[in-house]
Amino acid sequence: GAGVSQSPRYKVAKRGQDVALRCDPISGHVSLFWYQQALGQGPEFLTYFQNEAQLDKSGLPSDRFFAERPEGSVSTLKIQRTQQEDSAVYLCASSLGTSGSTETQYFGPGTRLLVL
Amino acid sequence: GQNIDQPTEMTATEGAIVQINCTYQTSGFNGLFWYQQHAGEAPTFLSYNVLDGLEEKGRFSSFLSRSKGYSYLLLKELQMKDSASYLCAPRGGYQKVTFGTGTKLQVIP
Repeated sequence: GAGVSQSPRYKVAKRGQDVALRCDPISGHVSLFWYQQALGQGPEFLTYFQNEAQLDKSGLPSDRFFAERPEGSVSTLKIQRTQQEDSAVYLCASSLGTSGSTETQYFGPGTRLLVL
Repeated sequence: GQNIDQPTEMTATEGAIVQINCTYQTSGFNGLFWYQQHAGEAPTFLSYNVLDGLEEKGRFSSFLSRSKGYSYLLLKELQMKDSASYLCAPRGGYQKVTFGTGTKLQVIP
């Protein structure tokens, strides 16, 4: 596709609900990243995929957060039993390769999650 | 871990030049990105430095000194549309990019 797309753009969840956030990276991009961005802060790294392999999940804040990319393209970030502190914008980014300028990350528009 | 320091806010006048500084400490270093983020929008790529020195791209330039753990973004001929947050993002370990909190730039007439 022309760019990274994410859905839904907005999500309101009641505390305790499970949510699933989808990311469609740029076609052919090997690397995919998820970030969490709180208001007034920079994006915080959550997890990284190279094709279907999740190579780094050190940023996932708890075991309620789970991400997958089973076929090396579309990725889903799942949050179980949502808490109010999970309210944030969730950004997905993809990059073509794994070295040099091909590492430039292109961001999707984000999913704004509000947990009530 | 990684520690990134950049000013929280800056104000500059339309048509002027502004320099946004960033210092960082990383466990390993493999390049530094600058991103622009308008309010409510996703970050967009501005520049990428791997080697020391100045990289110029139109009105925007970025400088890197690896030995000092220092970078700056230089914006020339400021326009109102340049009002945004500017994120310094060094790449440390394998593929992991860490973003600073960003510098919110306000351009005034």
